[in-house]
Amino acid sequence: RKEVEQDPGPFNVPEGATVAFNCTYSNSASQSFFWYRQDCRKEPKLLMSVYSSGNEDGRFTAQLNRASQYISLLIRDSKLSDSATYLCVVTGLNTGGFKTIFGAGTRLFVKA
Amino acid sequence: ETGVTQTPRHLVMGMTNKKSLKCEQHLGHNAMYWYKQSAKKPLELMFVYSLEERVENNSVPSRFSPECPNSSHLFLHLHTLQPEDSALYLCASSQDRASAKNIQYFGAGTRLSVL
Repeated sequence: RKEVEQDPGPFNVPEGATVAFNCTYSNSASQSFFWYRQDCRKEPKLLMSVYSSGNEDGRFTAQLNRASQYISLLIRDSKLSDSATYLCVVTGLNTGGFKTIFGAGTRLFVKA
Repeated sequence: ETGVTQTPRHLVMGMTNKKSLKCEQHLGHNAMYWYKQSAKKPLELMFVYSLEERVENNSVPSRFSPECPNSSHLFLHLHTLQPEDSALYLCASSQDRASAKNIQYFGAGTRLSVL
């Protein structure tokens, strides 16, 4: 089982749609969680951190479910500019020490 | 501008060449990383440096040789590469390696083609 798993997609949605991505992680000792965004042929950039209580940043909402070991990202009112790959990132103590693990990413295409 | 600068942005090299990738961070961070990203594959962590010491080496072939002369600079020396080494090589830095709130900031990457 992969340490961090994401649905690779692609998700094809119209502008204005609401779309949700899930990510599961295998290490119950994981401590911090993030969503990064990577545009085509560009570097990953931090989108938002994910807190236990859930957090919102404009049209983006992130949730953490420690019991089920998954995090989610909800995008409301999708824009064309939201088209990108969304990477789930999990950090914490693992075999071999502290690790930051990136998921393979979920591709989103928002169409007019 | 993320504060992490990589050069060159593009590199084409033959299998017998020797070249180096350079990364510089202006964020005052203590940890630096090299990642490889091949087409349609996830990020692969190659090396981690913390306070200029290599703390992680993920079974990377010896044709890749990292160097960290100080906390702001990181190099990846390349020699006798194979065509399958063609990929985007990303450098990243973070405040500390083992912080639970470790946020990594990436450079724009070097797109490498090995002929």
